[in-house]
Amino acid sequence: SQQGEEDPQALSIQEGENATMNCSYKTSINNLQWYRQNSGRGLVHLILIRSNEREKHSGRLRVTLDTSKKSSSLLITASRAADTASYFCATPRSGGYQKVTFGTGTKLQVIP
Amino acid sequence: EAQVTQNPRYLITVTGKKLTVTCSQNMNHEYMSWYRQDPGLGLRQIYYSMNVEVTDKGDVPEGYKVSRKEKRNFPLILESPSPNQTSLYFCASSLLATDTQYFGPGTRLTVL
Repeated sequence: SQQGEEDPQALSIQEGENATMNCSYKTSINNLQWYRQNSGRGLVHLILIRSNEREKHSGRLRVTLDTSKKSSSLLITASRAADTASYFCATPRSGGYQKVTFGTGTKLQVIP
Repeated sequence: EAQVTQNPRYLITVTGKKLTVTCSQNMNHEYMSWYRQDPGLGLRQIYYSMNVEVTDKGDVPEGYKVSRKEKRNFPLILESPSPNQTSLYFCASSLLATDTQYFGPGTRLTVL
């Protein structure tokens, strides 16, 4: 089963609205990372939040992390058509493990 | 320019014909990884390497081999490809397993 699961699987919003997507994971983590992928291209890192952090901001992005619930959310404010992409969370495992697990992704469509 | 390169970008082959997908990074990263991406399944880690001559299995290693003889290169080998290995493959690198990953542009493989 997937370590990371995003929801919703797909999201369609109007330009200017906020987009929220969620990620749940199963095991202990060192940090949680969010990535963006445009249409089958390589993933690009957006933001990293450490396990001892609860919230982090970067431009129009806001990420929260709740380690007690093993979940994270990514909020994109004032969305633009250019934000249309798939978004993935990634969780490097803690405890000496070297694996990195990606979720199944949220496909975001921002309608102009 | 810091980058991860993969070759070839597109490959169509037949069942059983050995192939190698190359991956190279110029950032002196210790950690390198291969993923495959399939619709609805997100990215799944195939193999990873913590450093030269140190590799380990990810979540879906069956049918794949890797080697890490030099720090910059991490080729993915399919000794006897099968149609279920048709997928989009990504190579990625990072300083350590827990750090931000840099992705290559992807290799779209079709096995007939």
